[in-house]
Amino acid sequence: GAVVSQHPSWVICKSGTSVKIECRSLDFQATTMFWYRQFPKQSLMLMATSNEGSKATYEQGVEKDKFLINHASLTLSTLTVTSAHPEDSSFYICSANAGHSNQPQHFGDGTRLSIL
Amino acid sequence: DQQVKQNSPSLSVQEGRISILNCDYTNSMFDYFLWYKKYPAEGPTFLISISSIKDKNEDGRFTVFLNKSAKHLSLHIVPSQPGDSAVYFCAASNAGKSTFGDGTTLTVKP
Repeated sequence: GAVVSQHPSWVICKSGTSVKIECRSLDFQATTMFWYRQFPKQSLMLMATSNEGSKATYEQGVEKDKFLINHASLTLSTLTVTSAHPEDSSFYICSANAGHSNQPQHFGDGTRLSIL
Repeated sequence: DQQVKQNSPSLSVQEGRISILNCDYTNSMFDYFLWYKKYPAEGPTFLISISSIKDKNEDGRFTVFLNKSAKHLSLHIVPSQPGDSAVYFCAASNAGKSTFGDGTTLTVKP
């Protein structure tokens, strides 16, 4: 089946550090990947849609300059949290569709980001 | 305004009985609905889906029912097994973009 790998799974770093999270589709090509953020006991909140070869589409309220997304190839999208602060601490998770837009999304295992 | 709601944060059932998880949505533009299952420290995994043109889809122990007029869908698991214990998210999709509910934690007791 389609596998999405997300790395790293857990990051702890100091305030002001920039953190890059990678999302890879291992056995399929993904023209579109999605980045979500999840707060404890809450839903997955879509942050942005990452499109291969073009700019990401951000949801309302998500700072583009804060959360930089790059989708340079059909198998890799990266999310960089720039100058991270404690309020950025959260669970970040990516997903990708293996086929057409209504196909189920395949999720990575998420990244737990803790900013001290 | 939350477009997809799972009003029960938790559900506990006995092994062998039926589990019914509910989900309500507000946006009539949603045309595809999915259920995902999530274990701790893992990403959600796809369970079952239904198109808006159908009212029922069955896959083994799992059945999803869609009531478009009520903007309501439900997931039935029968018989429930302890391994079904997880968080279940419903998602509603339009143009490939999914909106998720807050999840329901299902506990199946042996």
